Amino acid sequence: DAKTTQPNSMESNEEEPVHLPCNHSTISGTDYIHWYRQLPSQGPEYVIHGLTSNVNNRMASLAIAEDRKSSTLILHRATLRDAAVYYCILRGPQGGSEKLVFGKGTKLTVNP
Amino acid sequence: GAGVSQSPRYKVAKRGQDVALRCDPISGHVSLFWYQQALGQGPEFLTYFQNEAQLDKSGLPSDRFFAERPEGSVSTLKIQRTQQEDSAVYLCASSLSRANSNQPQHFGDGTRLSIL
Repeated sequence: DAKTTQPNSMESNEEEPVHLPCNHSTISGTDYIHWYRQLPSQGPEYVIHGLTSNVNNRMASLAIAEDRKSSTLILHRATLRDAAVYYCILRGPQGGSEKLVFGKGTKLTVNP
Repeated sequence: GAGVSQSPRYKVAKRGQDVALRCDPISGHVSLFWYQQALGQGPEFLTYFQNEAQLDKSGLPSDRFFAERPEGSVSTLKIQRTQQEDSAVYLCASSLSRANSNQPQHFGDGTRLSIL
């Protein structure tokens, strides 16, 4: 499984934008980039995914570098509820068991 | 609608006892996954079902761990002769189908297992 690298922790202020980086220099041409987040005492929650083009949904935006070796999850206005561990995960289109391979993720702290 | 439901929410057992953890996936979801999450770590894959077929059990740490999904809906993860290192949060996830691997996985809130 392709490896991703994320900072261990980041801090933000409420109502400010947050940019969460992820490096995936060994990504293959067919790997999709997925983001999940895990709030305290809850299971992980799907956030967004993309292949090459930038993606937007109601939760966040995903900016993917042109060479696809890195990506950034963007929370446009952080709220206290966005405090969570954010995981960047690569998934191939024909993955054998569809399993998710989690790293340690980035722990986001949001200050009021 | 109802999400993935796991029970019990918390389980305390003495070392050597057997435990059974239940997962009710989202209705109609074909794929079901079990993950184990140690404190401070990301979840780690245990096993995967497509309907009632267990297609991947490569993550099960030992033969004390057994999972089943006999009718293709509810799943049970059983751990026999529990050890202290089995203490973790056990997460269940389901997804709609295997046809598209980019189907998001929907997670339950897990069962926190503590072995004394």
